[in-house]
Formats: sequence, structure tokens, C-alpha cells
Amino acid sequence: GAVVSQHPSRVICKSGTSVKIECRSLDFQATTMFWYRQFPKQSLMLMATSNEGSKATYEQGVEKDKFLINHASLTLSTLTVTSAHPEDSSFYICSAREGALYNSPLHFGNGTRLTVT
Amino acid sequence: QKEVEQNSGPLSVPEGAIASLNCTYSDRGSQSFFWYRQYSGKSPELIMFIYSNGDKEDGRFTAQLNKASQYVSLLIRDSQPSDSATYLCAVRGTGGFKTIFGAGTRLFVKA
Repeated sequence: GAVVSQHPSRVICKSGTSVKIECRSLDFQATTMFWYRQFPKQSLMLMATSNEGSKATYEQGVEKDKFLINHASLTLSTLTVTSAHPEDSSFYICSAREGALYNSPLHFGNGTRLTVT
Repeated sequence: QKEVEQNSGPLSVPEGAIASLNCTYSDRGSQSFFWYRQYSGKSPELIMFIYSNGDKEDGRFTAQLNKASQYVSLLIRDSQPSDSATYLCAVRGTGGFKTIFGAGTRLFVKA
């Protein structure tokens, strides 16, 4: 089955620093990847859609200058949290669809737990 | 109205019983429906998906879809303590691009 690898799994950083999270599709090509965020006991919230070779599409309320997304190849998307603050502490999860069909399910990476002190 | 609604639970069932998880959605044009299981601190893992009205069975799991009622459910037969997790209903709406998740239902299976 489709495997999505995400690194790092856990990161602790100081307020004001930037953190980069990588998301790779290991055995398939993903022209589109999706970045979600999940706060404790809440559901997954779509942050942005990462498009290979073009700009990401951000959901309403998500600051594009704070959450930089780069999708430079068909197997790699990165999310950089710039100038992180404690309120950015959350569980960030990337996902990708194996096929281009509308009904292809999402496969998730293992997530990155970000703690900003 | 939320796009995808689930009862947050917790839903508690004894081991061996049938667990029934329900989900409603607001976008009548939705085409694809997914059930994910999420253990605490982990990312979601796909259980099954359904696209057509009716039932779809996969092992101990049965997904049921009723597009007229905008309702999708997941039945877990012979529930096991290892099934204790949060179950997320996800819907892909009109256009078939974004996948929207419900808040999830917490399931406890008592040994």
C-alpha cells in the first residue's frame, strides 16, 4: 500500500525559531499533498494543499507567510513554520492521495508533534 | 452547521459486541466517504471507504451509506479492546478534491 513518510516525528523549539517538516511519498508520486493540523481532542483541520511545481493553496485563516509550503518534486513536500510561537504547538500531519481519481483515499504520514517553548 | 458531524462519544461497548458509529454530512454533492481510526498520539489510518449507496463489508467492518439521508455509518462486529480508538469520518465533497473530517467518535471496548 501507499506509504507516506514524515519527519521529524517530534520537535521542540524555542519561540521565534523556524521548524521544517518533510513529507515524502515513498512508493508513489503525489502531485498533491495535504497538510493538516490537529489540536488535542480536536479533529484534523486542513491547513493547505501543496501542489507540485506551483503555489500552495491555503485554507481560510491560515497565514501563508507563517506556514511556508514547498512542493519541489513529485515525492516531497515541506512545511516550514516560521517564527514559531507557543500557540503553534500542535500535531502536524501530511497526507497524499495515491491516485488522481476523486475517490482515492488519503494516506497519512506519522505526524510531527511540535512543541514551542 | 458543521460539514461533517459525528457524535463525540465516548461510545462504550463490551468485548464481542457490535459498535455502531454514525456520521452525517452537509454537502449533498459529496461523492466519497472514508472511515479512519486514530489511536491517541498517532496519525489516522484508513479502515475503509465507500462510494455507493448500501453496505460494504471488509472483515469485521461494514460501512453503510445513504446519500439521500446524507448519512454514513461504520459497524464493527465482534469488537475487541484493541478497537478502542477515535474513529474519524471523512467526506470528499463536490469537485472531489478536499477531504473534510468530522471531529471523531471515541470508542471504548471493555474487556
